[in-house]
This record gives sequence, C-alpha cells and structure tokens, in this order.
Amino acid sequence: AQKVTQAQTEISVVEKEDVTLDCVYETRDTTYYLFWYKQPPSGELVFLIRRNSFDEQNEISGRYSWNFQKSTSSFNFTITASQVVDSAVYFCALSVPPFSGGYNKLIFGAGTRLAVHP
Amino acid sequence: EAGVTQSPTHLIKTRGQQATLRCSPISGHTSVYWYQQALGLGLQFLLWYDEGEERNRGNFPPRFSGRQFPNYSSELNVNALELEDSALYLCASSLSGALTGELFFGEGSRLTVL
Repeated sequence: AQKVTQAQTEISVVEKEDVTLDCVYETRDTTYYLFWYKQPPSGELVFLIRRNSFDEQNEISGRYSWNFQKSTSSFNFTITASQVVDSAVYFCALSVPPFSGGYNKLIFGAGTRLAVHP
Repeated sequence: EAGVTQSPTHLIKTRGQQATLRCSPISGHTSVYWYQQALGLGLQFLLWYDEGEERNRGNFPPRFSGRQFPNYSSELNVNALELEDSALYLCASSLSGALTGELFFGEGSRLTVL
C-alpha cells in the first residue's frame, strides 16, 4: 500500500529563519511521482513541485528547495529565509501512475502547518 | 484564464439530507478530481472523472456519487448526510488523467452537517 507521512504537524518559526518540512513515503512501485502543495488560508491547494522517481536531482526555486532521496524514501522541502506569506499548510503527495498497476490518484500526507511570525 | 471554480462556497445541511456540490474545471482540462478534507483526517481521494466517465473512486460509501457533464464540469452528490460528512470538499482538474502533471485545485466547498 502507498502511504505518505508528514511527521511534523505544526512548525512555528520567526521570519528569516530557514525551515525544513519532512516527507516520507512508502510504495512498492518503482515508478511514481511526488508532489508538494501549499494550502493558504483561502483553501485552494497550490502546486509547488512534481518529481518523478527516476529524477533524484535536488531542485531549487527561489527560496524553495527540495531534497529527494530514494534511499530513505524522503522528499523534504526547505524554505530559506522564511516570510510571513509562507504561512500555510503544506502537503506532500504521492501518485502511482495507472500503467504500473496502481490507482490514478494523489495520496496526501496529513500536512504540516507552518506559522511564520514577524 | 479562470481557475477551477466551485459552488457553493458554503453549504449547511441537516442529517439525512442530500448535498450537491459543483465544479468547473480549467478550460481544456478533461479530468476532474474530488477530494474530501475533513478535520483531523487530511485530504482523502473521493472520485476521478475523465471524459465523462468515472475512472476511479476512493474508499467512500456509495452515497457519495457524482458525474461529469459533456462540458467537463462535475457534480458531487452526497446522499443521506451524516455528521462526519462535514468537511471541505476540494475539486481539482488536470489536462490528462495520468497525473504526470499537476492538479489545479479550486477553493473548495465547505459542507456543514448539523
């Protein structure tokens, strides 16, 4: 069975601190996709990144960076120099494409609520 | 370009009633997904529609149903409402159902069952 674990329920930091959100996933499939979404207070989920299982390159986008390590089944997300606008719930998700026998749906972690204080 | 739109924003019902939630995908998107975000339970996959057909459903009872119309908009129906159905229902759309691309989510419909 597939599963995504975000062990940190809530994180509170002060502006300009760096913060890392952890994500550990479980799947027996060799082909899969990992995602991070941000859910601000407005409710809609905002796509941040997609990574496929064959691409272990880390990625940096502005203040955001992602560390994908298959050896530990982790896909961690770091925000550098956090800002108040980063306050949101962040979800890590896993998808197993249908061609590998899985179901075509996103399996979300429970989310991590990040509060950035001025 | 308009994003995914959902209606109503808020809905209050009583136990045993039926609720209907609506979703319009981004223009050109043929896949629509429904997720339930209940307090303490995270985001749970409900239904996936593509090209008018139900392609997959999550672990929910049959009283959760829906459909996709020829214009790719979608409706989620919840019959015989129970208190635990109170949740934020999120709709998402994508260009294809293969999930190689990202999902675009609406702001959700908050259903309260009294």
